[in-house]
Amino acid sequence: KNEVEQSPQNLTAQEGEFITINCSYSVGISALHWLQQHPGGGIVSLFMLSSGKKKHGRLIATINIQEKHSSLHITASHPRDSAVYICAIRPQGNLIFGKGTKLSVKP
Amino acid sequence: GAVVSQHPSWVICKSGTSVKIECRSLDFQATTMFWYRQFPKQSLMLMATSNEGSKATYEQGVEKDKFLINHASLTLSTLTVTSAHPEDSSFYICSAAGLAGGSSYNEQFFGPGTRLTVL
Repeated sequence: KNEVEQSPQNLTAQEGEFITINCSYSVGISALHWLQQHPGGGIVSLFMLSSGKKKHGRLIATINIQEKHSSLHITASHPRDSAVYICAIRPQGNLIFGKGTKLSVKP
Repeated sequence: GAVVSQHPSWVICKSGTSVKIECRSLDFQATTMFWYRQFPKQSLMLMATSNEGSKATYEQGVEKDKFLINHASLTLSTLTVTSAHPEDSSFYICSAAGLAGGSSYNEQFFGPGTRLTVL
């Protein structure tokens, strides 16, 4: 079993829809990251969480440490949000990455 | 946010040649640099971790004599793929960790990646 599971694997949405991507993990962690990988491959760090909730623009990330679960929400989605969103956990030391969720937002 | 650059962004080479990829932290000092490899539709896999001035720590299954890592300064690390073969074709991503932008804790920033194709 993977230590980091993301769902869904693929997601297609219409512009303006509210989007949720989930991440579950099976080990204790010191932090959880949400990353965005653009079609060209470059990776941008969106959030680093160790508890609670963070908001940046239209993006919201939450984490429940007891349930070992995190969600990434995108409000008022836009075609430029189309990318692969990756959840990564940091148990101790190095990051462990999920396989990513491929999001396509149609105009 | 802090910027990490990689050069080249893509490279095509013949089997048996060596390829060097550079990773630079542009506006902060990276105490640790990480090299990842990503195959299509797969997650990032850590290859090695390096600290400035010391030998890299390689993950299990990664040949240190094939993937040479040099972390000569706090802003530069290089990965050399020696005697490259078609199975080495992949997307290589570096990441740098350090105190950036006045932050009080180490953050990890990712480079744009280098796509290597070995013919």
